[in-house]
Amino acid sequence: AQSVTQLGSHVSVSEGALVLLRCNYSSSVPPYLFWYVQYPNQGLQLLLKYTTGATLVKGINGFEAEFKKSETSFHLTKPSAHMSDAAEYFCAVSEGVRLNTGKLIFGQGTTLQVKP
Amino acid sequence: SAVISQKPSRDICQRGTSLTIQCQVDSQVTMMFWYRQQPGQSLTLIATANQGSEATYESGFVIDKFPISRPNLTFSTLTVSNMSPEDSSIYLCSVTGSGTQYFGPGTRLLVL
Repeated sequence: AQSVTQLGSHVSVSEGALVLLRCNYSSSVPPYLFWYVQYPNQGLQLLLKYTTGATLVKGINGFEAEFKKSETSFHLTKPSAHMSDAAEYFCAVSEGVRLNTGKLIFGQGTTLQVKP
Repeated sequence: SAVISQKPSRDICQRGTSLTIQCQVDSQVTMMFWYRQQPGQSLTLIATANQGSEATYESGFVIDKFPISRPNLTFSTLTVSNMSPEDSSIYLCSVTGSGTQYFGPGTRLLVL
């Protein structure tokens, strides 16, 4: 069965500093991987996804993630944090090949705090 | 991308009552999904709703507690029945499209 582990429930960075949110997964099939962001009192917004092809995936708002099969990781990064990046971030893996079940397994989430 | 709307956006309910949440998608989709996000927790799939058939429930969720309707390819409802404070959560509708899972804005439910 698939699972997702996000290391660190809370991450705090200074404005302008590097953002690194860690995600490790387990999957018996080639995974589809996602990062979602949830701003306070809002729904989930897709940041980026990996399905096949290039392992470095660029998303919205300057975020990117790299799929590393050997490390079963899909860490999210942003070179320079902005105050508006403060939110909850969820890593997720699809259960089933090619998202045919529509079921995502989510990590526990990481709260990103950005200090001025 | 799919645009998903939900009603109501939030509600406060008394224990023992039921609430029906509506989900509307701007395009026809085969499967619709209902997720729950308990306070401070991640998302958990409740059930999958296919048009024309009964919903498929995940382990720990039952139809009597969370009945689902799927009358057409763009609409679904989730009812939270006989509510207790433990049902206080965000309930999200979701659909699949273009290799991506899209989520509605969620319904924030508080049960007193």
